[in-house]
Order: sequence, then structure tokens, then C-alpha cells
Amino acid sequence: QQQVKQSPQSLIVQKGGISIINCAYENTAFDYFPWYQQFPGKGPALLIAIRPDVSEKKEGRFTISFNKSAKQFSLHIMDSQPGESATYFCAANNYGQNFVFGPGTRLSVLP
Amino acid sequence: GAVVSQHPSWVICKSGTSVKIECRSLDFQATTMFWYRQFPKQSLMLMATSNEGSKATYEQGVEKDKFLINHASLTLSTLTVTSAHPEDSSFYICSARKTKGTSHYEQYFGPGTRLTVT
Repeated sequence: QQQVKQSPQSLIVQKGGISIINCAYENTAFDYFPWYQQFPGKGPALLIAIRPDVSEKKEGRFTISFNKSAKQFSLHIMDSQPGESATYFCAANNYGQNFVFGPGTRLSVLP
Repeated sequence: GAVVSQHPSWVICKSGTSVKIECRSLDFQATTMFWYRQFPKQSLMLMATSNEGSKATYEQGVEKDKFLINHASLTLSTLTVTSAHPEDSSFYICSARKTKGTSHYEQYFGPGTRLTVT
């Protein structure tokens, strides 16, 4: 029940395209859903996060869509750039508890 | 800002020796820090949660006598890998949660430490 599933495992998009990564969870107690970006040999960096009281959050070219009833959330990267080729992790937690991370999606944006 | 540093960024040690990794929150106080381990092309695996001034809480399967964690101040936590073996070679990442601020949830990650045991 603590697991967070993530798909696809890898994703290739053309420069300027839209990258979409999906995550699903089981634990209805989760109430914070962040997305992290990680470059090789670096620590994860927080991209954007959402609480379940909203269905969408947008920051620049990054958007989280959240479907509480389906227990799913997704990251959309508009106008994807080669410099954004990295591994993306979704995560979930609830107050005072530890993060549960998805297995990651390796994104390659072709020039 | 919310900057977390780790030192060293990479270390090579011989089998049987001990290695200490430092994690510092540079511009905020962190009551709670976390230590993760990440193998190549895999997700982050939480090893332990450390709270300032108290004993760390280890995840199931993590040997507390092998991975010693000390959180002596609100800005510093250390992980010591004792009697390291080649299978301990990995990427170790710490994160810190702000003591005060707008969100109790946010965790800020350090840049990671690459440990290679020969």
C-alpha cells in the first residue's frame, strides 16, 4: 500500500514536444505529491509539487495533473528541451511520514 | 534558499575501512535529515531518518551497526559506513526537512556522495 507506481520506465521525445509521466498510488493518506528531477551523479531537485485539494498546478512549462478519485497524478513538460534529459521521480507522503518514491522515468529529449 | 551540501562528493576506500559522509543544511535548520542509498538506474531507497539530538530510525533491513548516523546539530548529520565492503559501493544521498517554514513536507536533497569500496 506504500508503493508508488510510475510509467513509462523510459521516454524519448523530440525537442519542443510534450513529455508526460504518470504515477499511481494506493495509500489514500498521502497528501503531498512532489516531482523530482535528477541528473546523473547529482542529487534529486524538487521540480513541482501538489496537494490533493487541487486538480492541477502549473509552474512555467511544468504541470502536475492530479486525479484524487483515480489516485493518479502526472507530470507534463511542455516544449521539452534537450537539457531536461534526466531521470524524473514522483513521490508521495503524508504529514510527518517519509517519502515514498516511484521507480523513476528516464527522459531523453532529442535535439 | 534551501541548500544542502555533502562532503565528500566522492570517496574511494579499501575494504574493511570506515568512511564518514557529512550532510549539512547551509541556510536553514533541519530537525530531521534522511539518508538514502541509490544504485545505478534505480530509485532512492531510504536507509534511515535522523532527528537532531536523538537516535536515528533505521528502515527494515538496514544494519544500524554498519551505518552509523549522528545528528548532533540542526545543520549537520553524518553517516559512517563501518568496515566497508565492495557491496557497500553506492551513491549515498542525504536530504533535510526544514524545522520552520511554510511547509513541513518539503525535503531538500544534497548532491550525493559516490562511495567506491575496493
